[in-house]
Amino acid sequence: DGGITQSPKYLFRKEGQNVTLSCEQNLNHDAMYWYRQDPGQGLRLIYYSQIVNDFQKGDIAEGYSVSREKKESFPLTVTSAQKNPTAFYLCASSSTGVDSPLHFGNGTRLTVT
Amino acid sequence: GENVEQHPSTLSVQEGDSAVIKCTYSDSASNYFPWYKQELGKRPQLIIDIRSNVGEKKDQRIAVTLNKTAKHFSLHITETQPEDSAVYFCAAIFSGGYQKVTFGTGTKLQVIP
Repeated sequence: DGGITQSPKYLFRKEGQNVTLSCEQNLNHDAMYWYRQDPGQGLRLIYYSQIVNDFQKGDIAEGYSVSREKKESFPLTVTSAQKNPTAFYLCASSSTGVDSPLHFGNGTRLTVT
Repeated sequence: GENVEQHPSTLSVQEGDSAVIKCTYSDSASNYFPWYKQELGKRPQLIIDIRSNVGEKKDQRIAVTLNKTAKHFSLHITETQPEDSAVYFCAAIFSGGYQKVTFGTGTKLQVIP
């Protein structure tokens, strides 16, 4: 979906370094989400935000942090405390109205060695 | 919280046959049920959705049915084609002032030519 941009597409980092993944949307959506996907696995929720300056932990928030200073932006920082950070990270957004599906970005594949 | 179970985890069908994927949810407050298709290395894309006040919805070769009493919903793909091969995710969403999204674990569909 051209309305959600994740960058970069591929990211390589050394163990022990923090890294920030970018997510920008121009869909005027209030809600934004970060999911992690491991090979052959489903989508696990890391953090979500329903409104600017507010965010909530998902199911696997440990070792991650987020901010929501602007409606359009929801960056995710993978900290050195995350034990197994190599994964495919998907950002999504939705309106908070009734029957509103999530729209996903193209994802960032993070490899930590 | 909500729990969504999805079956089967893998499904192989011959080209031209039908495929059925089933999901069961636990929270009766969920009121919107989208289905996503994810091709290898790409983002999940919405393919069809259904509201809680509708029993069935069809879009060409794809249909979704919902049984609110039993709390289960199913995706039906008829006349399958090789390009239908992908991972399919169901989701249960509660839309009521805030957006609470729970995904199923995914079904890997392989259509054999």
